[in-house]
Amino acid sequence: AQSVTQLDSQVPVFEEAPVELRCNYSSSVSVYLFWYVQYPNQGLQLLLKYLSGSTLVKGINGFEAEFNKSQTSFHLRKPSVHISDTAEYFCAVSEHYQLIWGAGTKLIIKP
Amino acid sequence: EAGVTQFPSHSVIEKGQTVTLRCDPISGHDNLYWYRRVMGKEIKFLLHFVKESKQDESGMPNNRFLAERTGGTYSTLKVQPAELEDSGVYFCASSQLLGNEQFFGPGTRLTVL
Repeated sequence: AQSVTQLDSQVPVFEEAPVELRCNYSSSVSVYLFWYVQYPNQGLQLLLKYLSGSTLVKGINGFEAEFNKSQTSFHLRKPSVHISDTAEYFCAVSEHYQLIWGAGTKLIIKP
Repeated sequence: EAGVTQFPSHSVIEKGQTVTLRCDPISGHDNLYWYRRVMGKEIKFLLHFVKESKQDESGMPNNRFLAERTGGTYSTLKVQPAELEDSGVYFCASSQLLGNEQFFGPGTRLTVL
């Protein structure tokens, strides 16, 4: 069975600094990969997804992620964070139709 | 286009009581999913409907949980009787095609005292 690892439960970063949120998954077969974001008191919102094609995927709000098959990783990056990026970020892999989730990473923006 | 809606947003009940959560998917989405996040843990899949049929309920914790989707529109998830460990946030999602992006509702936060 698939598993998704988000090693960092929290990532503090200064405003306007770059950030990388790490995600590794277990399977080496073809997968669909997703990053979802949950802003305070809101539901889950899709940030970006990798289904096939270019390994560099661009999402909303200036985020991007790179699919690395050999390292089974799908790290999320943003070159300059804003206070409004404060949220919890979830990496997920699609196994058939259900999503297998990482534990989530809380992005904490320091002014 | 209206998104996925869930009701109630919060529910606080006592152990042994019954609670029913409702999910209205995006209109036209045949696929409906329930997930749960227990405090401090990963979001876990509970079950998947295609229209009114349960395709996979392998994630349902036990027989105290009953999900229905009569008519293939909205879905309900009933917990009877509720236990303390059932506390968490219950998310519903829907998708048009299998394997496509799932659109999530805001979740129902269930607290069992």
